[in-house]
Amino acid sequence: GNSVTQMEGPVTLSEEAFLTINCTYTATGYPSLFWYVQYPGEGLQLLLKATKADDKGSNKGFEATYRKETTSFHLEKGSVQVSDSAVYFCARGLLTGGGNKLTFGTGTQLKVEL
Amino acid sequence: DTGVSQDPRHKITKRGQNVTFRCDPISEHNRLYWYRQTLGQGPEFLTYFQNEAQLEKSRLLSDRFSAERPKGSFSTLEIQRTEQGDSAMYLCASRNIQETQYFGPGTRLLVL
Repeated sequence: GNSVTQMEGPVTLSEEAFLTINCTYTATGYPSLFWYVQYPGEGLQLLLKATKADDKGSNKGFEATYRKETTSFHLEKGSVQVSDSAVYFCARGLLTGGGNKLTFGTGTQLKVEL
Repeated sequence: DTGVSQDPRHKITKRGQNVTFRCDPISEHNRLYWYRQTLGQGPEFLTYFQNEAQLEKSRLLSDRFSAERPKGSFSTLEIQRTEQGDSAMYLCASRNIQETQYFGPGTRLLVL
């Protein structure tokens, strides 16, 4: 079926550490891929996206590359900050009936400590 | 661009009562989506509108749930005869032509 799998959390890092959050997907066709972030008590915010193979999405120091051969869209950041503490959701968009509903992973909580 | 807004932000109700939530999308977005998010999980798709037409409904949307978008602008999601299992965060999103969905802050429902 069509699904998104991401690494379980929580992930706890020290400030300035390197971050990787793994995400893999299954889908027919070539979906668009997204990372959303949810800060405590807030709604989902789009962090970055990629719409085709080998595209790299980037924002606020975060990056993710659409890898068709490994069906992955891993999120990386070279140096995390305490303010990056949040829950990160990987998602894929699937065109159905003209729409583009999103299927989300279960989320990965990131805690960054001083 | 004022973003997607949702009202109310929180709702506490007793089992068996009806509740209605409202979503105001970004004004130039013609596509509107409802999702439900339970604790520790990612959002799950409920339904989707293009303008005023409801084009797709998830099997998660039981007969007690109904959504409308009468004028192709704001949307409402009603839950009749609420059950404790309906407790969740209800998220609305709207989409531009570049496929990106922008989410509102959500309505957190607690059914006692």
